[in-house]
Amino acid sequence: SQKIEQNSEALNIQEGKTATLTCNYTNYSPAYLQWYRQDPGRGPVFLLLIRENEKEKRKERLKVTFDTTLKQSLFHITASQPADSATYLCALDGAGGGADGLTFGKGTHLIIQP
Amino acid sequence: DAGVTQSPTHLIKTRGQQVTLRCSPKSGHDTVSWYQQALGQGPQFIFQYYEEEERQRGNFPDRFSGHQFPNYSSELNVNALLLGDSALYLCASSFSASVYEQYFGPGTRLTVT
Repeated sequence: SQKIEQNSEALNIQEGKTATLTCNYTNYSPAYLQWYRQDPGRGPVFLLLIRENEKEKRKERLKVTFDTTLKQSLFHITASQPADSATYLCALDGAGGGADGLTFGKGTHLIIQP
Repeated sequence: DAGVTQSPTHLIKTRGQQVTLRCSPKSGHDTVSWYQQALGQGPQFIFQYYEEEERQRGNFPDRFSGHQFPNYSSELNVNALLLGDSALYLCASSFSASVYEQYFGPGTRLTVT
């Protein structure tokens, strides 16, 4: 069956350092992969989308890589700040090319300590 | 520009009852997807509505049904509520049946007792 794995434990990073989150998947051939941020009691907020033919995508302090051979995406936040503390969700399109919704991982809880 | 809105914010129901949740998509969006998020889990896809039709459905029983109106707003109905239906229900909007860059609402917290 299709499976998405994210760091299940909370990730503690010191302010100013780079936070790196991992998303691994099996039994998928996604056309693209998305990262969302979710704060407690709120809906997810879209951050970045990377397509299968793209190796890397950047947006301000965020960087995403996508390795379809390893079936892995890495999400980096550089110069991390306490305001970056949140749960980060990895999401893949379904086998139907996106028309059957997104499949999310459980998310990684990131804590940036001052 | 209003984002995705959902109502109500919180809801408490009893087992066996029925519930209706509502969603208005972001301005300019014509597609609404519904997700269920249990505590500590990622959102799970329920179904998607586009052009007033259910386009795709996740692994949810027929107790979960929906509707989309001509103004693109949508309702999620759940019949015969079970304790396990307690969750945060999220509505996401997008354009033209895609799931690219979905905009999520704040969710409706449903508690079934």
